[in-house]
Amino acid sequence: RKEVEQDPGPFNVPEGATVAFNCTYSNSASQSFFWYRQDCRKEPKLLMSVYSSGNEDGRFTAQLNRASQYISLLIRDSKLSDSATYLCVSAPSGTYKYIFGTGTRLKVLA
Amino acid sequence: GAVVSQHPSRVICKSGTSVKIECRSLDFQATTMFWYRQFPKQSLMLMATSNEGSKATYEQGVEKDKFLINHASLTLSTLTVTSAHPEDSSFYICSAPGLLSSYNEQFFGPGTRLTVL
Repeated sequence: RKEVEQDPGPFNVPEGATVAFNCTYSNSASQSFFWYRQDCRKEPKLLMSVYSSGNEDGRFTAQLNRASQYISLLIRDSKLSDSATYLCVSAPSGTYKYIFGTGTRLKVLA
Repeated sequence: GAVVSQHPSRVICKSGTSVKIECRSLDFQATTMFWYRQFPKQSLMLMATSNEGSKATYEQGVEKDKFLINHASLTLSTLTVTSAHPEDSSFYICSAPGLLSSYNEQFFGPGTRLTVL
């Protein structure tokens, strides 16, 4: 079983739709979690950190459920520019080593 | 935010040659940097942790004699792919942690696309 698992998609949604991605992690020692966005042939860029209390940044909301060991990302009012691959990342306590999920591809359609 | 650069951004080489990729932290010091590899439609896989002034730590399955890492200064780490073969063709990305961040945030370089003919 992979340490960080994601549904690879693709998720094809119309503009304006709300879409949610889940990610599960197996290492209970993981302390830090992130969502990164990666465009084709580019480096990953930080979308948001994920806090235990959940956090929101504009149209994006991230949640962490430690009991069930999953994190989620909700995108509201999808834009064409949201089309990308979304990478779930966990980092064990006391380390900067990132464990990446395989990514979920999102395509927002006009 | 912190900036990490990589050079070259793209390289095409013949099989059997060696290729050096540089990773620089431009406005901060990085005692640790990470090297990742990403094959098409796959996620980033950590290859090794580069430590300034000491040996790199390689992940399981990564050949240290093939992927030479040197971290000679607080702002520069290099990855040399020795005797490259077509199966080494990949997207290589480095990152450095933002030490002032309390949430283990890392900053990624723009990546180097290696094609071995």
